[in-house]
Amino acid sequence: EPEVTQTPSHQVTQMGQEVILRCVPISNHLYFYWYRQILGQKVEFLVSFYNNEISEKSEIFDDQFSVERPDGSNFTLKIRSTKLEDSAMYFCASGQVSYGYTFGSGTRLTVV
Amino acid sequence: GENVEQHPSTLSVQEGDSAVIKCTYSDSASNYFPWYKQELGKGPQLIIDIRSNVGEKKDQRIAVTLNKTAKHFSLHITETQPEDSAVYFCAVYSSASKIIFGSGTRLSIRP
Repeated sequence: EPEVTQTPSHQVTQMGQEVILRCVPISNHLYFYWYRQILGQKVEFLVSFYNNEISEKSEIFDDQFSVERPDGSNFTLKIRSTKLEDSAMYFCASGQVSYGYTFGSGTRLTVV
Repeated sequence: GENVEQHPSTLSVQEGDSAVIKCTYSDSASNYFPWYKQELGKGPQLIIDIRSNVGEKKDQRIAVTLNKTAKHFSLHITETQPEDSAVYFCAVYSSASKIIFGSGTRLSIRP
């Protein structure tokens, strides 16, 4: 069964550093998303991406965040200057239509 | 914006018994309601979904019911098994671009 692949599975970074979280969506999907989950809390929407542009973003997705689809297969989330409160699981998801997502297994980001 | 409330936050049932998790939502225009299961260290996995043009959908031991008038929907798991232990999230398709999750229910199955 096709999967959404995320790398790395765990990233530790120092506060103030830039991180890039990588995702390989399912190949024929057109809609791409990033969500995050702070430990023990619910899954929160960050951003959706379609047709090479951001469709919608949440208040969490401020100027420190950016997304990119640099080629036909990767979808990345960049955090420019990480803060302690950015520590969370980050999930990438993709969909062939605008609902019915498939989620990846996540990247655990730890900011120290 | 859309608001999704989920209850209970934790649920413990005897193996073989049924489990019911309930969610309410605020936007009457919402039309797609998926349920996700999240096991430890993994991403949410879609287990069942329902569109607003039906009131109930069943897949083996899992069923979802939807009451559009009251704006609530429920997940029913029958004949629970140890592998059903996980966190379950309801979700609502809020707009053309996102799904909003409930706060989650930690389901434990007692042997």
